[in-house]
Amino acid sequence: NAGVTQTPKFQVLKTGQSMTLQCAQDMNHNSMYWYRQDPGMGLRLIYYSASEGTTDKGEVPNGYNVSRLNKREFSLRLESAAPSQTSVYFCASSEARSNEVQFFGPGTRLTVL
Amino acid sequence: SQQGEEDPQALSIQEGENATMNCSYKTSINNLQWYRQNSGRGLVHLILIRSNEREKHSGRLRVTLDTSKKSSSLLITASRAADTASYFCATSNTGNQFYFGTGTSLTVIP
Repeated sequence: NAGVTQTPKFQVLKTGQSMTLQCAQDMNHNSMYWYRQDPGMGLRLIYYSASEGTTDKGEVPNGYNVSRLNKREFSLRLESAAPSQTSVYFCASSEARSNEVQFFGPGTRLTVL
Repeated sequence: SQQGEEDPQALSIQEGENATMNCSYKTSINNLQWYRQNSGRGLVHLILIRSNEREKHSGRLRVTLDTSKKSSSLLITASRAADTASYFCATSNTGNQFYFGTGTSLTVIP
């Protein structure tokens, strides 16, 4: 079992460029989440998907879009990257809703110049 | 706005000592969880305590929850150098969202 995997591990973008962060889990979990982690801010929820076919905004959704491609995969897209989106991005999954334990991927470190 | 705030922000202790970190939150919760994050890695779940529980143990970890004060504490006994990490509390309510605190950075000196 790989758990939660994320690609890429590192990425540098120029302002205005777009990219998609990929996340996959092999635990047959229903719920998946995208967080960003900034120094001194803890983790903040960007978007989540409670089940296949549904997505909802979290605390900081502006500038992002998501796709729950199937039960395994949940991608995060930056359409026009901005320096304020420089952060470490974590994907997580849980068996059910957010009341349950979340399993995290290793993270993607994104720098926007 | 974040639910949880950890205190202290940083803690440095000698190996073998106990480490205590606290978490305060703002609104009612269904459960509270503690996670550990080693440098450059993802978060790993440590322990979950439900709103109707007051204390929970897991190995060297002891978690307490006081819903009247909206606070929780994590005690790590007989600390080891491998316990060096950041520790986060996370709360959830009846909604689908999970709120993480800002974390406590623990350094255990061998």
